[in-house]
Amino acid sequence: AQKITQTQPGMFVQEKEAVTLDCTYDTSDPSYGLFWYKQPSSGEMIFLIYQGSYDQQNATEGRYSLNFQKARKSANLVISASQLGDSAMYFCAMREATDKLIFGTGTRLQVFP
Amino acid sequence: GAVVSQHPSRVICKSGTSVKIECRSLDFQATTMFWYRQFPKQSLMLMATSNEGSKATYEQGVEKDKFLINHASLTLSTLTVTSAHPEDSSFYICSARDSRTVRGEQYFGPGTRLTVT
Repeated sequence: AQKITQTQPGMFVQEKEAVTLDCTYDTSDPSYGLFWYKQPSSGEMIFLIYQGSYDQQNATEGRYSLNFQKARKSANLVISASQLGDSAMYFCAMREATDKLIFGTGTRLQVFP
Repeated sequence: GAVVSQHPSRVICKSGTSVKIECRSLDFQATTMFWYRQFPKQSLMLMATSNEGSKATYEQGVEKDKFLINHASLTLSTLTVTSAHPEDSSFYICSARDSRTVRGEQYFGPGTRLTVT
């Protein structure tokens, strides 16, 4: 079974609008961490935001926020006020007790003027 | 944020030769580093976990004799692709876990694009 599922292979958003990228996960560990990374065409993986399983509040980092719904096992990334430079692949990942990151298949976001 | 460097960024080699890729954490010590492989338009697949001072832990299906990993110091891990073949052509990315923080996020190097001719 897929541990991390990203159901949107591609998303389009107009500049200055908000966009939500979906991510659901599956784990039986009570302690885990959820991450979002951005991968532009250059290939580097850029850390965006982190949510711990015990965190009471949704994580926020600038224009990025994580809509964490523990009961539904979802950790959607919300990007507010999209910019052209936000166009990239976005990966959701989960870390369990083993310390390894398991990645989803990614969502390609394209921001248009 | 923490910085991880990777060298070389691109390498082209002939079939049968070996290639070494270096991964360095520049401003923090990393007892654990990870090596990933990424095929075009696909996600990252973990190949192995590199632990300073001990043997690497390989994921199922990854040949440890083909992909040699050495974590020589707290800031350096190397991946050597031995007897490379065209099917080894891929994008290889390393990451280092920042154990200074509670969340221990992984910071990634810029990647190495390997082409085997």
